[in-house]
Amino acid sequence: GENVEQHPSTLSVQEGDSAVIKCTYSDSASNYFPWYKQELGKRPQLIIDIRSNVGEKKDQRIAVTLNKTAKHFSLHITETQPEDSAVYFCAAILVYGGSQGNLIFGKGTKLSVKP
Amino acid sequence: KAGVTQTPRYLIKTRGQQVTLSCSPISGHRSVSWYQQTPGQGLQFLFEYFSETQRNKGNFPGRFSGRQFSNSRSEMNVSTLELGDSALYLCASSLTVQGGQYFGPGTRLTVT
Repeated sequence: GENVEQHPSTLSVQEGDSAVIKCTYSDSASNYFPWYKQELGKRPQLIIDIRSNVGEKKDQRIAVTLNKTAKHFSLHITETQPEDSAVYFCAAILVYGGSQGNLIFGKGTKLSVKP
Repeated sequence: KAGVTQTPRYLIKTRGQQVTLSCSPISGHRSVSWYQQTPGQGLQFLFEYFSETQRNKGNFPGRFSGRQFSNSRSEMNVSTLELGDSALYLCASSLTVQGGQYFGPGTRLTVT
């Protein structure tokens, strides 16, 4: 089955700096990779996703890159702000046929942005 | 559109009891997945339903079960509760098989 490793587990940056979170997956057939942000006491929120036929996707200050050969994908946050502080989860899913596979999550990265 | 809703938001049960949690997906979403979130294990997949059929199941004991109704609302049931079942139970719905999953606020279950 799929296994997702996420690093680092904690990350502290100064406001305005960039933050990078990396994930690796084991199943080369996985083809959909979402990222979720979970603030304390709140639900996980989908912030960006990428499919296996795309190498990079950007949405304002956040971007995700995917290297299918190496089986890893990364979240990049530029110009970090205190409100970016949260736990970020990567996930991988194998979507096949008409049935959606399991979303397998990484263990999460606690990002702290210091003013 | 209204988001995913879950009831109840908080629940306290004692060991040996059973519990039923409810999830209403975003209107039009037919896939509902359930996850258990704990500090130690993170987010773990329980099961996924689509058109009233369980399509996928995670690695949880048979005490964990679920179902989906014709209106896509879903329930999960945990029987013979154990202390280790204390967790935040999240459901998520999605529109298509390749779409993102949108989470509800969760049900915080405490087993004493």
